[in-house]
Amino acid sequence: GIQVEQSPPDLILQEGANSTLRCNFSDSVNNLQWFHQNPWGQLINLFYIPSGTKQNGRLSATTVATERYSLLYISSSQTTDSGVYFCAVWGGGADGLTFGKGTHLIIQP
Amino acid sequence: DGGITQSPKYLFRKEGQNVTLSCEQNLNHDAMYWYRQDPGQGLRLIYYSQIVNDFQKGDIAEGYSVSREKKESFPLTVTSAQKNPTAFYLCASSSDRVGGVIQYFGAGTRLSVL
Repeated sequence: GIQVEQSPPDLILQEGANSTLRCNFSDSVNNLQWFHQNPWGQLINLFYIPSGTKQNGRLSATTVATERYSLLYISSSQTTDSGVYFCAVWGGGADGLTFGKGTHLIIQP
Repeated sequence: DGGITQSPKYLFRKEGQNVTLSCEQNLNHDAMYWYRQDPGQGLRLIYYSQIVNDFQKGDIAEGYSVSREKKESFPLTVTSAQKNPTAFYLCASSSDRVGGVIQYFGAGTRLSVL
């Protein structure tokens, strides 16, 4: 099946810093989503981005499908941005999303 | 409010006991999914259903069972055959059977073994 690798696994930053999270996938996809998992476990949809670039406030994402990677940018980080960020892809067929292991982001005040 | 409701939030299982996790959605979505998350890991697919009265095994279906008698409901039973059931369980739904649409997730159920 399709493989998803996220980097870095852990990231500690000061408030106000910018960050880039990467997601590599092993095959062509027709669905790529970025999620933020809050401390209570809720998965919050950030972006549905199988290709192209999208922006939502301080967050933006870019997927280069031909090169099989996606990037999530967080600018001017706030402590509330802390949590785990997951990339998940759908390689085709009728099954579910395949998740990476996530990037654990800690924003220190 | 439209969304996915999972209950209970916390559940404890005794040895040899079957337990059922509830998942209800009012989004009128055809497809529903169950995922398992272990500490420090991503989510893994247990079962999915594309339509009422039909469901398929995912990557880690052993020790679990599901039913889909109604469009809005997709309960997951963790059977006594699942030897390591302690995990966080997440239910999801999407509007289409194929992958080109967004999946939405419930708030999850934490299952522990007594």
